[in-house]
Amino acid sequence: TQLLEQSPQFLSIQEGENLTVYCNSSSVFSSLQWYRQEPGEGPVLLVTVVTGGEVKKLKRLTFQFGDARKDSSLHITAAQPGDTGLYLCAGERTGTASKLTFGTGTRLQVTL
Amino acid sequence: DTAVSQTPKYLVTQMGNDKSIKCEQNLGHDTMYWYKQDSKKFLKIMFSYNNKELIINETVPNRFSPKSPDKAHLNLHINSLELGDSAVYFCASSQATGMYSPLHFGNGTRLTVT
Repeated sequence: TQLLEQSPQFLSIQEGENLTVYCNSSSVFSSLQWYRQEPGEGPVLLVTVVTGGEVKKLKRLTFQFGDARKDSSLHITAAQPGDTGLYLCAGERTGTASKLTFGTGTRLQVTL
Repeated sequence: DTAVSQTPKYLVTQMGNDKSIKCEQNLGHDTMYWYKQDSKKFLKIMFSYNNKELIINETVPNRFSPKSPDKAHLNLHINSLELGDSAVYFCASSQATGMYSPLHFGNGTRLTVT
């Protein structure tokens, strides 16, 4: 059983389109991180959200942590080919000694 | 300038062999990890060390043995390799075991067991 389910699994869009990736769980997390992984490389942190309802913006990327801290979303505005990659959410549960639980991943491809 | 480096990048070996993967970080972090990424890109933690002390040991076959000679290094030795061990293994580090400590990953070691 995956604790963090991401949807969609795959997304292929054209440059300029908007998209949203969802990260859902039945568990409560003390914080949630989003990473992007490119082929042949390790995941790289994009953002950490820690407060229920929190919204963070990183240029064209908007991250939201659910009010109940069970879910999160990543919205990309005007996607560019450079946004292509595997997006991973990762939740940290209170008292688990920094044992991050990773989501199932969303593979995004942005074409010209 | 590489923050977390692991070697080798690729490892192809036969069933039954023993192999090691090395990892070093120059970020001054206290905590290091080994993660396994399967063919479906799911990342799962295997081990975590804080300042050379094992703090997380997930349900991993005892053929896998991590070793941390100092807090900047965490190696992974695998005995009697099996086909199911084929995956990408990532080393990572973080500043502390406390909350909100992001992980810094290496670029992975792709292990193929034939």
